[in-house]
Amino acid sequence: DAGVTQTPRHEVAEKGQTIILKCEPVSGHNDLFWYRQTKIQGLELLSYFRSKSLMEDGGAFKDRFKAEMLNSSFSTLKIQPTEPKDSAVYLCASSSPRQGAGSDYTFGSGTRLLVI
Amino acid sequence: QQQVRQSPQSLTVWEGGTTVLTCSYEDSTFNYFPWYQQFPGEGPALLISILSVSDKKEDGRFTTFFNKREKKLSLHIIDSQPGDSATYFCAASRTGNTGKLIFGLGTTLQVQP
Repeated sequence: DAGVTQTPRHEVAEKGQTIILKCEPVSGHNDLFWYRQTKIQGLELLSYFRSKSLMEDGGAFKDRFKAEMLNSSFSTLKIQPTEPKDSAVYLCASSSPRQGAGSDYTFGSGTRLLVI
Repeated sequence: QQQVRQSPQSLTVWEGGTTVLTCSYEDSTFNYFPWYQQFPGEGPALLISILSVSDKKEDGRFTTFFNKREKKLSLHIIDSQPGDSATYFCAASRTGNTGKLIFGLGTTLQVQP
Protein backbone atom coordinates (compact mmCIF):
# COMPACT_ATOMS: atom_id res chain seq x y z
CA ASP A 1 0.00 0.00 0.00
CA ALA A 2 1.20 3.49 -0.76
CA GLY A 3 1.81 5.49 2.38
CA VAL A 4 1.51 9.23 2.91
CA THR A 5 3.57 11.22 0.43
CA GLN A 6 4.90 14.64 1.34
CA THR A 7 6.74 17.03 -0.94
CA PRO A 8 9.19 18.61 -0.90
CA ARG A 9 11.39 16.78 1.62
CA HIS A 10 13.39 19.94 2.27
CA GLU A 11 12.58 23.60 1.77
CA VAL A 12 14.67 26.70 2.36
CA ALA A 13 12.81 30.00 2.37
CA GLU A 14 13.75 33.59 3.02
CA LYS A 15 11.86 35.45 5.71
CA GLY A 16 8.64 36.85 4.28
CA GLN A 17 8.29 34.32 1.48
CA THR A 18 5.22 32.20 0.87
CA ILE A 19 5.74 28.47 0.83
CA ILE A 20 3.36 25.63 0.05
CA LEU A 21 3.83 22.13 1.36
CA LYS A 22 2.00 19.19 -0.20
CA CYS A 23 0.55 15.95 1.07
CA GLU A 24 -1.07 12.93 -0.51
CA PRO A 25 -2.82 10.79 2.12
CA VAL A 26 -3.31 7.05 2.07
CA SER A 27 -6.03 6.18 -0.40
CA GLY A 28 -9.34 5.65 1.39
CA HIS A 29 -8.37 7.45 4.59
CA ASN A 30 -10.97 9.98 5.70
CA ASP A 31 -8.94 11.96 8.23
CA LEU A 32 -5.94 14.14 7.44
CA PHE A 33 -3.74 15.99 9.90
CA TRP A 34 -0.96 18.54 9.61
CA TYR A 35 1.53 18.76 12.49
CA ARG A 36 4.55 20.89 13.20
CA GLN A 37 7.35 19.06 14.99
CA THR A 38 10.07 20.71 17.05
CA LYS A 39 12.28 19.39 19.84
CA ILE A 40 10.82 21.76 22.39
CA GLN A 41 7.12 21.74 21.52
CA GLY A 42 6.87 18.21 20.14
CA LEU A 43 4.00 17.51 17.74
CA GLU A 44 1.71 20.53 17.45
CA LEU A 45 -1.55 20.12 15.56
CA LEU A 46 -1.99 22.68 12.79
CA SER A 47 -5.11 21.37 11.04
CA TYR A 48 -7.45 18.40 11.05
CA PHE A 49 -9.73 17.47 8.15
CA ARG A 50 -12.41 14.82 7.97
CA SER A 51 -13.74 13.96 4.53
CA LYS A 52 -12.28 17.24 3.27
CA SER A 53 -14.09 19.33 5.89
CA LEU A 54 -11.98 21.33 8.32
CA MET A 55 -12.61 19.95 11.81
CA GLU A 56 -9.98 21.82 13.76
CA ASP A 57 -7.64 24.67 13.02
CA GLY A 58 -4.78 25.03 15.55
CA GLY A 59 -5.63 28.30 17.22
CA ALA A 60 -2.13 29.68 17.58
CA PHE A 61 -1.38 29.02 13.93
CA LYS A 62 -4.39 30.58 12.27
CA ASP A 63 -2.88 33.87 11.21
CA ARG A 64 -0.12 32.72 8.85
CA PHE A 65 -0.89 29.04 8.35
CA LYS A 66 -3.62 27.82 6.03
CA ALA A 67 -4.29 24.21 5.18
CA GLU A 68 -6.62 23.17 2.41
CA MET A 69 -7.91 19.87 1.17
CA LEU A 70 -8.75 20.32 -2.47
CA ASN A 71 -9.87 16.74 -2.93
CA SER A 72 -9.74 13.53 -0.93
CA SER A 73 -6.29 12.69 -2.24
CA PHE A 74 -4.43 15.98 -1.90
CA SER A 75 -3.83 18.63 0.74
CA THR A 76 -1.65 21.72 0.97
CA LEU A 77 -0.28 23.75 3.83
CA LYS A 78 0.54 27.36 3.02
CA ILE A 79 2.70 29.48 5.30
CA GLN A 80 2.49 33.17 4.46
CA PRO A 81 4.64 35.07 5.27
CA THR A 82 7.31 32.77 6.66
CA GLU A 83 9.31 33.71 9.74
CA PRO A 84 12.54 32.16 11.09
CA LYS A 85 10.58 30.68 14.01
CA ASP A 86 8.67 28.55 11.49
CA SER A 87 11.80 26.45 10.94
CA ALA A 88 10.67 22.93 11.86
CA VAL A 89 9.59 19.62 10.40
CA TYR A 90 6.05 19.62 9.04
CA LEU A 91 4.32 16.26 9.13
CA CYS A 92 1.19 15.12 7.38
CA ALA A 93 -0.73 12.09 8.63
CA SER A 94 -3.87 10.29 7.56
CA SER A 95 -6.15 7.74 9.20
CA SER A 96 -9.56 6.18 9.08
CA PRO A 97 -11.76 6.11 12.17
CA ARG A 98 -12.70 2.59 13.25
CA GLN A 99 -15.85 1.68 15.13
CA GLY A 100 -15.00 0.83 18.72
CA ALA A 101 -11.29 1.34 18.22
CA GLY A 102 -8.87 4.19 18.09
CA SER A 103 -7.46 5.79 14.98
CA ASP A 104 -4.02 4.76 13.83
CA TYR A 105 -2.12 7.42 11.94
CA THR A 106 0.08 6.85 8.94
CA PHE A 107 2.62 9.66 8.81
CA GLY A 108 4.56 10.96 5.87
CA SER A 109 8.31 11.47 6.10
CA GLY A 110 7.82 15.18 6.61
CA THR A 111 9.09 18.39 5.07
CA ARG A 112 12.04 20.00 6.82
CA LEU A 113 11.65 23.77 6.53
CA LEU A 114 14.42 26.25 7.15
CA VAL A 115 13.55 29.94 7.12
CA ILE A 116 16.53 32.30 6.91
CA GLN B 1 -0.73 22.34 29.79
CA GLN B 2 0.37 19.01 28.44
CA GLN B 3 -2.48 16.49 28.48
CA VAL B 4 -0.10 13.59 27.88
CA ARG B 5 3.21 13.56 29.74
CA GLN B 6 6.17 11.34 29.03
CA SER B 7 9.27 10.55 31.01
CA PRO B 8 12.14 10.49 30.82
CA GLN B 9 12.89 13.02 28.11
CA SER B 10 15.89 10.95 27.05
CA LEU B 11 17.36 7.62 28.04
CA THR B 12 20.48 5.57 27.31
CA VAL B 13 20.56 1.82 27.88
CA TRP B 14 23.05 -0.92 27.05
CA GLU B 15 22.39 -3.45 24.36
CA GLY B 16 20.52 -6.42 25.82
CA GLY B 17 19.02 -4.42 28.66
CA THR B 18 15.39 -3.58 29.36
CA THR B 19 14.05 -0.14 28.48
CA VAL B 20 11.10 1.33 30.36
CA LEU B 21 9.33 4.44 29.11
CA THR B 22 6.42 5.94 31.02
CA CYS B 23 3.45 8.08 30.16
CA SER B 24 0.64 9.70 32.14
CA TYR B 25 -2.51 11.45 31.03
CA GLU B 26 -5.07 13.84 32.47
CA ASP B 27 -8.38 13.15 30.76
CA SER B 28 -10.14 10.10 32.18
CA THR B 29 -12.26 9.81 29.02
CA PHE B 30 -9.21 8.77 26.99
CA ASN B 31 -9.47 5.07 26.26
CA TYR B 32 -7.06 4.36 23.42
CA PHE B 33 -3.29 4.63 23.80
CA PRO B 34 -0.91 4.03 20.90
CA TRP B 35 2.87 4.27 20.99
CA TYR B 36 4.71 5.61 17.96
CA GLN B 37 8.36 5.10 17.06
CA GLN B 38 10.26 7.69 15.04
CA PHE B 39 13.68 7.33 13.43
CA PRO B 40 15.64 10.40 12.29
CA GLY B 41 14.46 11.70 8.96
CA GLU B 42 11.23 9.71 9.05
CA GLY B 43 7.72 10.28 10.32
CA PRO B 44 6.47 8.46 13.42
CA ALA B 45 5.15 4.94 12.85
CA LEU B 46 2.70 2.99 14.99
CA LEU B 47 4.55 0.54 17.23
CA ILE B 48 1.93 -0.89 19.58
CA SER B 49 -1.40 0.21 21.01
CA ILE B 50 -3.75 -0.67 23.84
CA LEU B 51 -7.38 -0.05 24.70
CA SER B 52 -8.36 0.80 28.27
CA VAL B 53 -10.23 -2.51 28.64
CA SER B 54 -6.84 -4.24 28.72
CA ASP B 55 -3.94 -3.86 31.11
CA LYS B 56 -1.23 -5.39 28.96
CA LYS B 57 -0.42 -5.92 25.32
CA GLU B 58 2.64 -7.64 23.95
CA ASP B 59 4.23 -7.63 20.51
CA GLY B 60 7.55 -9.39 20.33
CA ARG B 61 10.08 -7.53 22.46
CA PHE B 62 7.65 -4.65 23.06
CA THR B 63 5.02 -4.67 25.81
CA THR B 64 2.75 -1.86 26.89
CA PHE B 65 1.10 -1.81 30.31
CA PHE B 66 -1.94 0.26 31.25
CA ASN B 67 -3.06 1.35 34.72
CA LYS B 68 -6.47 2.99 34.55
CA ARG B 69 -6.66 3.92 38.25
CA GLU B 70 -3.39 5.82 38.13
CA LYS B 71 -3.89 7.07 34.55
CA LYS B 72 -0.48 5.79 33.59
CA LEU B 73 1.00 3.54 30.97
CA SER B 74 4.43 2.25 30.14
CA LEU B 75 6.35 0.74 27.27
CA HIS B 76 8.86 -2.00 28.02
CA ILE B 77 11.47 -3.10 25.50
CA ILE B 78 13.29 -6.27 26.46
CA ASP B 79 16.66 -7.22 24.96
CA SER B 80 17.07 -3.66 23.68
CA GLN B 81 19.00 -3.40 20.41
CA PRO B 82 20.92 -0.51 18.81
CA GLY B 83 18.24 -0.56 16.08
CA ASP B 84 15.69 0.43 18.74
CA SER B 85 17.40 3.82 19.08
CA ALA B 86 14.64 6.24 18.18
CA THR B 87 12.17 8.69 19.66
CA TYR B 88 9.06 7.15 21.20
CA PHE B 89 5.78 9.01 21.48
CA CYS B 90 2.89 8.07 23.71
CA ALA B 91 -0.53 9.24 22.51
CA ALA B 92 -4.11 9.15 23.72
CA SER B 93 -7.58 9.48 22.26
CA ARG B 94 -11.19 8.49 22.74
CA THR B 95 -12.64 5.79 20.55
CA GLY B 96 -15.72 6.79 18.66
CA ASN B 97 -16.27 9.69 16.35
CA THR B 98 -13.14 11.76 16.85
CA GLY B 99 -9.96 10.61 15.18
CA LYS B 100 -7.63 13.06 16.89
CA LEU B 101 -4.66 11.81 18.91
CA ILE B 102 -3.04 13.83 21.69
CA PHE B 103 0.71 13.24 21.70
CA GLY B 104 3.28 13.46 24.45
CA LEU B 105 6.59 15.24 23.83
CA GLY B 106 8.47 12.00 23.30
CA THR B 107 11.38 10.09 24.81
CA THR B 108 14.62 9.78 22.88
CA LEU B 109 16.18 6.38 23.40
CA GLN B 110 19.79 5.54 22.67
CA VAL B 111 20.83 1.89 22.91
CA GLN B 112 24.60 1.55 23.25
CA PRO B 113 26.31 -1.56 21.86
